[in-house]
Amino acid sequence: NAGVTQTPKFQVLKTGQSMTLQCAQDMNHEYMSWYRQDPGMGLRLIHYSVGAGITDQGEVPNGYNVSRSTTEDFPLRLLSAAPSQTSVYFCASGPNSPLHFGNGTRLTVT
Amino acid sequence: KNEVEQSPQNLTAQEGEFITINCSYSVGISALHWLQQHPGGGIVSLFMLSSGKKKHGRLIATINIQEKHSSLHITASHPRDSAVYICAVEGSQGNLIFGKGTKLSVKP
Repeated sequence: NAGVTQTPKFQVLKTGQSMTLQCAQDMNHEYMSWYRQDPGMGLRLIHYSVGAGITDQGEVPNGYNVSRSTTEDFPLRLLSAAPSQTSVYFCASGPNSPLHFGNGTRLTVT
Repeated sequence: KNEVEQSPQNLTAQEGEFITINCSYSVGISALHWLQQHPGGGIVSLFMLSSGKKKHGRLIATINIQEKHSSLHITASHPRDSAVYICAVEGSQGNLIFGKGTKLSVKP
């Protein structure tokens, strides 16, 4: 099925470790974004991209890196994990079209 | 002050009831999205609208641009409608601002 594929579904890291969350879409959407979802707060934008080679920061970018070498892929890198990055992460494509979200990654940093 | 406010935060209904969830926003927008998130689950787009009204099955979404207000209605509610409903507004730059969500529980 067409949509947004996000991996892994679960991840546990120790403080200081690094990892990459993968996100791929096959709808040829230009706009892709990463959000984190924390209890009691709405989805918050980490980074977004309006096309290959173009990325920009969102509301909470610190501690995260992104790149967009192709239209399809938009990975999110945690450079040195911290307990404050324990959260549920969602990748999405859109807006300017109905939004499509990945299934989420539940990340725990100990 | 949050730019997107949803009400109520929590809602419990009996099966069959008519449900309304409200979303008010304070910024200029190009579109508004209603999303659904089941417990422990992913996020699904229900509606994207920029004017008027849309209907899909038992779900109806309306928007009043002048009043900066949107409503999501569920007719003949069912326990499977239990979920968090999220309103998100899309700014002119394509940026999204999310409400904190409305948690709906429908009892059989």
